[in-house]
Amino acid sequence: EVQVVESGGGLVQPGGSLRLSCVVSGFSISSSWMKWVRQAPGKGLEWVAGIKQDGSEKSYVDSVKGRFTISRDNANNSLYLQMSSLRADDTAVYYCATWSTWGQGTLVTVSS
Amino acid sequence: DIVMTQTPLSLSVTPGQAASISCRSSQSLLYSDGKTYLYWNLQKPGQSPQLLIYEVSNRFSGVPDRFSGSGSGTNFTLKISRVEAEDVGVYYCMQSRQRPSFGQGTKLEIK
Repeated sequence: EVQVVESGGGLVQPGGSLRLSCVVSGFSISSSWMKWVRQAPGKGLEWVAGIKQDGSEKSYVDSVKGRFTISRDNANNSLYLQMSSLRADDTAVYYCATWSTWGQGTLVTVSS
Repeated sequence: DIVMTQTPLSLSVTPGQAASISCRSSQSLLYSDGKTYLYWNLQKPGQSPQLLIYEVSNRFSGVPDRFSGSGSGTNFTLKISRVEAEDVGVYYCMQSRQRPSFGQGTKLEIK
């Protein structure tokens, strides 16, 4: 069974930074594009960032370009999202996902 | 960027009846490799999303056969042949032909 577990969320002040981590078990992430998707309270799903199998390609939604960085460690079956210059509208549950399986999400709250 | 538009945005269905959700993309989702990168996900209340259908019509592992996907190019449909109580939630179509994007979601409730 594939399991995806995110961590690293929490309360952070506007302008602050946070690093999200995601560990996958039961599946080798080296074979899959990986992505981060977020869901603001009461809203729909928004793709945030994606990274190719070997890390050679990365893409971001326009609203986080220059502020967020996606990375991966295939040897440790892990995905990361470094978030900086956080704003109130970044408040959301952040999901890590393989091509087929989603984690349970980690809540990021940006507030003073 | 590709815009995904779902209709309807909400659906109320009697158990045992059929349901259908439409998803349209602003550009063709057919890629040069011959695959069409259209997915359907379901987010049940209080849960994270789960994959139902990938590449238009392929049911993911463990998904009941009452769920089916069809379509091509820019027009796609998710059908539930006989709705059950456990099918409640919000259904999202998603494309990954380019930078991924989701439809607004369709909330299904039971009458």
